[in-house]
This record gives sequence, structure tokens and C-alpha cells, in this order.
Amino acid sequence: GAVVSQHPSRVICKSGTSVKIECRSLDFQATTMFWYRQFPKQSLMLMATSNEGSKATYEQGVEKDKFLINHASLTLSTLTVTSAHPEDSSFYICSARVFNRDNEQFFGPGTRLTVL
Amino acid sequence: QKEVEQNSGPLSVPEGAIASLNCTYSDRGSQSFFWYRQYSGKSPELIMSIYSNGDKEDGRFTAQLNKASQYVSLLIRDSQPSDSATYLCAVIPFSGGYQKVTFGIGTKLQVIP
Repeated sequence: GAVVSQHPSRVICKSGTSVKIECRSLDFQATTMFWYRQFPKQSLMLMATSNEGSKATYEQGVEKDKFLINHASLTLSTLTVTSAHPEDSSFYICSARVFNRDNEQFFGPGTRLTVL
Repeated sequence: QKEVEQNSGPLSVPEGAIASLNCTYSDRGSQSFFWYRQYSGKSPELIMSIYSNGDKEDGRFTAQLNKASQYVSLLIRDSQPSDSATYLCAVIPFSGGYQKVTFGIGTKLQVIP
């Protein structure tokens, strides 16, 4: 149990385009999902917390108009990188917390974004 | 002071040895502690969670928690080359309300055949 999927696994796009990444909890309902970014050889950086049915909470320094998060259902959260630029190239990972599982958090497989 | 501190390594151990990974945290009221394993180019995978002082064993893994010393460790017995990865310590600080996981930078483990 506690499987999180992410799609796509890899995306290459041109500068200025928008990219949508989907995160799904496959076998549980996730009222809270998290979006992280990880640059090579660096630690995970929390970007935002996504709550079902409400606005996401963004970490300091993360542009909410650039990284749009929608948590439309208990099993799906999406991250849209708008007007992507090469500096947005990174490994984006979502995670979900299982209700009543002592705050255990499970990660999706990640999406590697390359902006040309 | 960082909220969760780990030595970035690399920690090199021979195959079959015990690997000992350490982590300290700053928030004395923290209640939930986790160890994740992250292979290069992959996302983190939860391997252990611990909430009470003492040891918790799961197969070759043992998590140890000492809240008085604000210290949590992970022991890997009979280390295998496939254990070579970065191990992330994660803590949920006591915030009284919203609980956000804080990750350490991770310790890179290399198991030498």
C-alpha cells in the first residue's frame, strides 16, 4: 500500500512553455500532498504543500504564480510550471501523507524537467 | 543551526559490515522521525519510522532514537553493495499545528564489495 504515481517521468520542453505534472495516490486518499524540487547533488527542497479543496501553501521564495498547484481531489494534485525557463530544469518530486499512518510520507517516482 | 543535521559523507564500509548513519535535530519537541533511502536519480523511499526512545528493528535495519540527546541513527547490518545510496534523515518538528517534514542533507553510503 501507499503508492504514489507521477506523470510524466521525464519532460523536455522549450523555454516559455508550460508543463503540467500530475501526482496521484493510487491506493489511499491523500488530503495533503507535497511538492519538492531537487537539483543535482543537493537536498530536497519543499516548494509547497497542497491541500485538497483549498489553496496551496508555498514556501518562502517560491513564486506561486509560476508554480501553480491544484489539488482537485483526494487522489490527485497537479503542479504546473508556467513559462518555464532553463533555470527551472530540475527533478520535481511529489509526496503524500497517509492519514492515520503516523505522518508517514511516501514519494512519487519524480519528474525530470529539462527546459531548453 | 540547521534543524536536521547529517554528515554528507561519503561513508564507506566493506560488504558485510555494519553501516552506522547518524542524525541530530534541533527541535526538542519533535515526535516523528524517519529514514529514507534515495538512489541516484530516483526519489526517496521510506525505510524506517520511529517515534519512541529506543531501538526499532526491521530486517537488516535498526533505527535508534534518543530524544534526550536529540539524536536518531540508522544501523544497516550485513551491508550489501545494493545498499549504496544516500540516506535521508527526516523529522517532524513540534509546531503545535501544521506538521511539516524537515529533511537533512543526506549521508551518502558506499558499500565496497
